[in-house]
Amino acid sequence: EPEVTQTPSHQVTQMGQEVILRCVPISNHLYFYWYRQILGQKVEFLVSFYNNEISEKSEIFDDQFSVERPDGSNFTLKIRSTKLEDSAMYFCASDDQRGSQPQHFGDGTRLSIL
Amino acid sequence: SQQGEEDPQALSIQEGENATMNCSYKTSINNLQWYRQNSGRGLVHLILIRSNEREKHSGRLRVTLDTSKKSSSLLITASRAADTASYFCATTRNDYKLSFGAGTTVTVRA
Repeated sequence: EPEVTQTPSHQVTQMGQEVILRCVPISNHLYFYWYRQILGQKVEFLVSFYNNEISEKSEIFDDQFSVERPDGSNFTLKIRSTKLEDSAMYFCASDDQRGSQPQHFGDGTRLSIL
Repeated sequence: SQQGEEDPQALSIQEGENATMNCSYKTSINNLQWYRQNSGRGLVHLILIRSNEREKHSGRLRVTLDTSKKSSSLLITASRAADTASYFCATTRNDYKLSFGAGTTVTVRA
């Protein structure tokens, strides 16, 4: 069964550094999402992306965050200047028919900011 | 916020028993989905129930949805040790983003 894959599985970065989290969504999917889960807390929506543009973003997704689909297969989340509070699991998801089909999640990237 | 809220927060059962967990939400929804998360892993989709549906089955899983009470339940029958995980409900509205609850941690004892 096709899967959403995320790399790296664990990223350790110094505060203030830029980080790029990578995702390869399922190939025929059209809608892409990033979520995050701070340790012990709920999974929170960050951003949705369709047709090469952001569909919606949450309050968390401020100017430090950006997303890109550079080559038709990868979907990246960039955090420009990381803060301690950015430490979390970041999940990528995709689906092919928004609202009527489930979103498929990757295994996540654990981001640790030192 | 229309996030789902699950109860109980934690559930410990014997292998072979049934596990039931509930989810409540605040506003009208497009659909409600249940996910499982094993420790340190990603979210695995279990079942999706649309707002015009009342009950769905998938293997040992049974999900109900009561839109008048804004609640859903997930029943796992004949539980196995491999069912040990956290279970989350997540709702979508017309914006299609998932709003997750805090989850129920299920421990199945052998």
